[in-house]
Amino acid sequence: ETGVTQTPRHLVMGMTNKKSLKCEQHLGHNAMYWYKQSAKKPLELMFVYNFKEQTENNSVPSRFSPECPNSSHLFLHLHTLQPEDSALYLCASSQDSTGQYFGPGTRLTVT
Amino acid sequence: RKEVEQDPGPFNVPEGATVAFNCTYSNSASQSFFWYRQDCRKEPKLLMSVYSSGNEDGRFTAQLNRASQYISLLIRDSKLSDSATYLCVANFGNEKLTFGTGTRLTIIP
Repeated sequence: ETGVTQTPRHLVMGMTNKKSLKCEQHLGHNAMYWYKQSAKKPLELMFVYNFKEQTENNSVPSRFSPECPNSSHLFLHLHTLQPEDSALYLCASSQDSTGQYFGPGTRLTVT
Repeated sequence: RKEVEQDPGPFNVPEGATVAFNCTYSNSASQSFFWYRQDCRKEPKLLMSVYSSGNEDGRFTAQLNRASQYISLLIRDSKLSDSATYLCVANFGNEKLTFGTGTRLTIIP
C-alpha cells in the first residue's frame, strides 16, 4: 500500500453506536490530521498530531475521540453521534509544513 | 470575513482556453500557500505549492501577492481532465491549513 489509506470507506451508524475510523500513512511523515468535509462547506480541521502528540484540537465535541498510537496510524473513535455529524471524514499526513496528502476518506452517515 | 475566500464559480470554460482563479486570505502572517484539486466524491489532491516568486508546473502557474494578500492559479490550454474543484489553501502556522470553499471548473468540449 502506498500513500494514505483509510478504512472503512463507507459507514452507516445509529446515534447510539460506537465505531472507529482508521487511517494509515506509508509516507514516513511526522504529522497526521483529521478533517471533516460537509456539503458546501470548506474542509474543517478537527485534530492534528505531530510525532504522535496532539497539537491541535479545533473545538471538536467530545463524541469524537482521536488516538494516535504511532506516527503511521491514526484513529477517530465515534460515539453517540448526531445526524449533523454525517460527512466525509478525511485523514491527511505531512512532513513539517509541506503540503498535506489526503486519504480517500470515510463517508459517514448517522441515522 | 472568511479566512480564505474564493469565487465558488462555476466556471464553464471551452477546451483549450486559459482560465484563472484568484483567492484572498485574511491573515497576513500566513506562511505558505497551496492549490489543491478535488474531483467529485474524491479526496483533495495537492496540485502545487505557491511561492513568493511564482512557480510554474507545465500548464499551471501559481502566483502569490503578499502585499494584496491574494494568490492565483492560471491554467493554460485547458483539458477536459482539468474539470474539478480547485481549493485555495493557506498555512497559518503550526501545520494548520485553512481551506477555501473551492472554485468549481468545468471544461466544455
